[in-house]
Amino acid sequence: DVKVTQSSRYLVKRTGEKVFLECVQDMDHENMFWYRQDPGLGLRLIYFSYDVKMKEKGDIPEGYSVSREKKERFSLILESASTNQTSMYLCASSLPLTGNSPLHFGNGTRLTVT
Amino acid sequence: QKEVEQNSGPLSVPEGAIASLNCTYSDRGSQSFFWYRQYSGKSPELIMFIYSNGDKEDGRFTAQLNKASQYVSLLIRDSQPSDSATYLCAVNGGGYQKVTFGTGTKLQVIP
Repeated sequence: DVKVTQSSRYLVKRTGEKVFLECVQDMDHENMFWYRQDPGLGLRLIYFSYDVKMKEKGDIPEGYSVSREKKERFSLILESASTNQTSMYLCASSLPLTGNSPLHFGNGTRLTVT
Repeated sequence: QKEVEQNSGPLSVPEGAIASLNCTYSDRGSQSFFWYRQYSGKSPELIMFIYSNGDKEDGRFTAQLNKASQYVSLLIRDSQPSDSATYLCAVNGGGYQKVTFGTGTKLQVIP
């Protein structure tokens, strides 16, 4: 089974702090994704990566950056956390999205910015 | 116009009934369609995918795809209380590494 591990289940940070969310997958997947999930808004794509050192902006990249130095690891960085970044963050991985490659999700990190 | 639309619900069905969940999408070039189930406080898990017009069955679940109408649905037969969850429809635009999710339909199966 694919395992996607997010480093923290819950995080509480202060406004202005730099925040790192880490994600590791063990199935040698090319693609990795960061989503945030908010009530009524569903899952929204922040960034994704289809290869080491490659990144693409999703629908809501503002205020975020990412890093993918190794194939198995994809980090989401909040340069200066703000209260509107309080959310559930979900990491996912997949084979190349051709045909029927599903996303495999981690357990999520619930981030609260105070 | 939202790219992937679902009725937020809640959809309430009695135990043993058929639950019908619907999803429409705007991109005619979409190629793959996924249904995920998400229990409260948990992450989404894949139920099934479909990419050809028609029906695809897997146990109690049937996915239906109509590309001409840009419509995909999920039927759950013999609904159980354990099926109570939010069901997310996801669409892959094909040739572009991006999956778009609907906001989900909350299903409640009443014992």
